[in-house]
Amino acid sequence: NAGVTQTPKFRILKIGQSMTLQCAQDMNHNYMYWYRQDPGMGLKLIYYSVGAGITDKGEVPNGYNVSRSTTEDFPLRLELAAPSQTSVYFCASRSEQGGNQPQHFGDGTRLSIL
Amino acid sequence: AQSVTQLGSHVSVSEGALVLLRCNYSSSVPPYLFWYVQYPNQGLQLLLKYTTGATLVKGINGFEAEFKKSETSFHLTKPSAHMSDAAEYFCAVSDSNYQLIWGAGTKLIIKP
Repeated sequence: NAGVTQTPKFRILKIGQSMTLQCAQDMNHNYMYWYRQDPGMGLKLIYYSVGAGITDKGEVPNGYNVSRSTTEDFPLRLELAAPSQTSVYFCASRSEQGGNQPQHFGDGTRLSIL
Repeated sequence: AQSVTQLGSHVSVSEGALVLLRCNYSSSVPPYLFWYVQYPNQGLQLLLKYTTGATLVKGINGFEAEFKKSETSFHLTKPSAHMSDAAEYFCAVSDSNYQLIWGAGTKLIIKP
């Protein structure tokens, strides 16, 4: 089982550049999430989706966009990269059956903005 | 609003010693509580969860946690630390919308 797959694993961007972080899951989960992880700060929710065609903002959505055209894929778009977006980004998914279901995580994308 | 506090950003124990990682939460609804572990350069992996029922929850790798409602705590323990337990550990509580609210994490350091 592949689980949650994130690409790329590492990326360096220049200020003002754009990129898309890819996330795919093969568990047929409706719920998907994007987090950023900064040292000592835990995980902050950027965006989430409860199913294809439905997305919503999390705690720190500014500077990011998402789309969810299929159940499997949930890409995260950075339009104008800024140094404050240097972080580790994690995608996660879970089944929809209540809050007691755990989230499954990808291995992350380490992004540096220079 | 829900919140999670993990006491100690770093905890250091000797190999073979007891591991105790503290987690306190606030929640306006009956909580679902989780502990995750993150090894270097990897994603987060579920250690254990509390939903309902037995308050002592056993997880993978010999870890367990006890839900104490009166103390709003969900501390993680392991009787004997191994070098392979060195990692960062995150406590999380599920809010009323089933989003996870995360603690800041505790790095566990194992001394030989």
